[in-house]
Amino acid sequence: AQTVTQSQPEMSVQEAETVTLSCTYDTSESDYYLFWYKQPPSRQMILVIRQEAYKQQNATENRFSVNFQKAAKSFSLKISDSQLGDAAMYFCAYRSAGSYGKLTFGQGTILTVHP
Amino acid sequence: SAVISQKPSRDICQRGTSLTIQCQVDSQVTMMFWYRQQPGQSLTLIATANQGSEATYESGFVIDKFPISRPNLTFSTLTVSNMSPEDSSIYLCSVEGFSGSEQFFGPGTRLTVL
Repeated sequence: AQTVTQSQPEMSVQEAETVTLSCTYDTSESDYYLFWYKQPPSRQMILVIRQEAYKQQNATENRFSVNFQKAAKSFSLKISDSQLGDAAMYFCAYRSAGSYGKLTFGQGTILTVHP
Repeated sequence: SAVISQKPSRDICQRGTSLTIQCQVDSQVTMMFWYRQQPGQSLTLIATANQGSEATYESGFVIDKFPISRPNLTFSTLTVSNMSPEDSSIYLCSVEGFSGSEQFFGPGTRLTVL
């Protein structure tokens, strides 16, 4: 079974600075997807970014980018120019390419943004 | 992305009772998913609901406790039966996007069992 580990229960960053959230996963599969989701206090799960394992190029979405290291099974999220609205719980998630859609989530990292 | 609504948004229930949570999507989707998020925890998949077939439950979840209906391609319900305080959680439904990989989530139902 796949597992996803987020080793940072909490992180903090100053507004306009950059922060990196860590995620590692364990799988024997070669084809899969990785995601970062954001959950603000409203509890709405928001998709931040997606990475396909077969793509070597790291995904980027505006201020959000990932560092995907397939051999190391590492998938970190970098948030540049942090904003107060980035404060939330961030979850890393894994999905097998061949599965029926089950997402396996990490434990989450609470991100605090200081003005 | 799909627009997903859930009802109720929150409820407080007495132990031993049951609550049915509704999930409505603004477009037809093949699979719908139900997740549980216990207080301060991550999300765990309860079951996958396909229209026209029985739901597929994950290990640790059973149909008697969490019966699911999927009457059409835009709607599903999850019932939490014979509730105990340990069932106090946020329950979320989700659907897959058009790419077939990412999932989009409803706003969740916060359930408190006294």
